[in-house]
Amino acid sequence: QKEVEQNSGPLSVPEGAIASLNCTYSDRGSQSFFWYRQYSGKSPELIMSIYSNGDKEDGRFTAQLNKASQYVSLLIRDSQPSDSATYLCAVSGTYKYIFGTGTRLKVLA
Amino acid sequence: ETGVTQTPRHLVMGMTNKKSLKCEQHLGHNAMYWYKQSAKKPLELMFVYSLEERVENNSVPSRFSPECPNSSHLFLHLHTLQPEDSALYLCASSQELGPYGYTFGSGTRLTVV
Repeated sequence: QKEVEQNSGPLSVPEGAIASLNCTYSDRGSQSFFWYRQYSGKSPELIMSIYSNGDKEDGRFTAQLNKASQYVSLLIRDSQPSDSATYLCAVSGTYKYIFGTGTRLKVLA
Repeated sequence: ETGVTQTPRHLVMGMTNKKSLKCEQHLGHNAMYWYKQSAKKPLELMFVYSLEERVENNSVPSRFSPECPNSSHLFLHLHTLQPEDSALYLCASSQELGPYGYTFGSGTRLTVV
């Protein structure tokens, strides 16, 4: 059974801090990795994709991938209350994603 | 209209009813998906279509019947559902079938009574 594991949280960070969200996966053949943000009552929104080992930065977001250790993480710098949401990790080998259950992030003003 | 549009936003149906969920994408994408999202569970893939051909039926009960008349439209026909089918049903599309990010619709919140 291929799995994607995330800590459900909530992860609480003060405004302006760095939020670190982690995800581990079981399928070593996974090739594509995604982070989605889902506000309460809304649908998921793609915020980052990463395909190779290392870091990928986009604005305040940095995705980190380590295939040898089978984890992917998302860093949010200068966290804002508007970042409060559930963050879903998704892992894909071909076209089928396996989603984690998500980590709920709360940014405290 | 832009993005992926789903209708209705909310649906309450009895176990003997028949209803349909509609999804339309205005992105020129070639792959479309149905997902089910239940509380405290990961998103569950239900069906995958590529260029109107179904490529995945992820062991979904026959009371859920998908239809993809063209690459922009996707339907999910529902009949004789069970209360445990109550969930958020999400439609998504991607550029092609492959390692591409999804654009999700706003979802249909389904309650089976």
